[in-house]
Amino acid sequence: DADVTQTPRNRITKTGKRIMLECSQTKGHDRMYWYRQDPGLGLRLIYYSFDVKDINKGEISDGYSVSRQAQAKFSLSLESAIPNQTALYFCATSDPNRPDGYTFGSGTRLTVV
Amino acid sequence: SQQGEEDPQALSIQEGENATMNCSYKTSINNLQWYRQNSGRGLVHLILIRSNEREKHSGRLRVTLDTSKKSSSLLITASRAADTASYFCATGSNFGNEKLTFGTGTRLTIIP
Repeated sequence: DADVTQTPRNRITKTGKRIMLECSQTKGHDRMYWYRQDPGLGLRLIYYSFDVKDINKGEISDGYSVSRQAQAKFSLSLESAIPNQTALYFCATSDPNRPDGYTFGSGTRLTVV
Repeated sequence: SQQGEEDPQALSIQEGENATMNCSYKTSINNLQWYRQNSGRGLVHLILIRSNEREKHSGRLRVTLDTSKKSSSLLITASRAADTASYFCATGSNFGNEKLTFGTGTRLTIIP
C-alpha cells in the first residue's frame, strides 16, 4: 500500500456541487498538507495541519475547507465548486525531525464543469 | 506567490549528457529541497540542503546552494531516459521541514 493514499484519483463535478477529497497516510506523521497544482504555476499551499487540533490556512484557502479526522486522515472540501478550481490536488505528509522532505500522494485530478 | 523560480522552464538533452537546472528564491530560507514529478504523478523528494551547506551529493545528483545569491542548482550527471520528468525546487523558511513553497518547475526531456 502507498504511504499516502488519495481518493478519488479522478473526479468530474458540476459547478455549485460540494465535493470532498480524502487523504490517508501510514507514515505516522503529524504534519499533513494540501496543495493544488496548475500548469505553469507550480504547487500552491491550500491548508496545512501540524497535528489533529491544529489547522492553518495556506496561500489560497478561499473556497476550501479541511477536516483532520485523525492523525492519519486529512480531507479537503470544496463547498461550492467553481470551474477555476479545476486542478490537480496533492496531499503530503512530513516529519520535521527527518531530512527526507515531504511524502506526496498520487494526486486527485478534479474537473469542475 | 511563488518563492522559487526554476530556470530553464524546459530542457532537452541527449542521454548520457549532464543536465543542470537552476532555482532562484526571494526570501531567507532554512532549507531548500528538490523534487521530481513524473507526468501528473505525485512529487518525489530527491535531496535537501540546509542553509549552512554549500553542496550536497546523492548518487548522480549534485545540489549547490548560494545563499548570498539566493540561488541553487541541481546537476544530474550521466542522464538516463528515466530521468525525464519535471523538477521542482522548494524552500522552507522554518526549521523542521514546514510549509514548503514550491517553484514553477523545469521540464527535463532526455532524448535516447
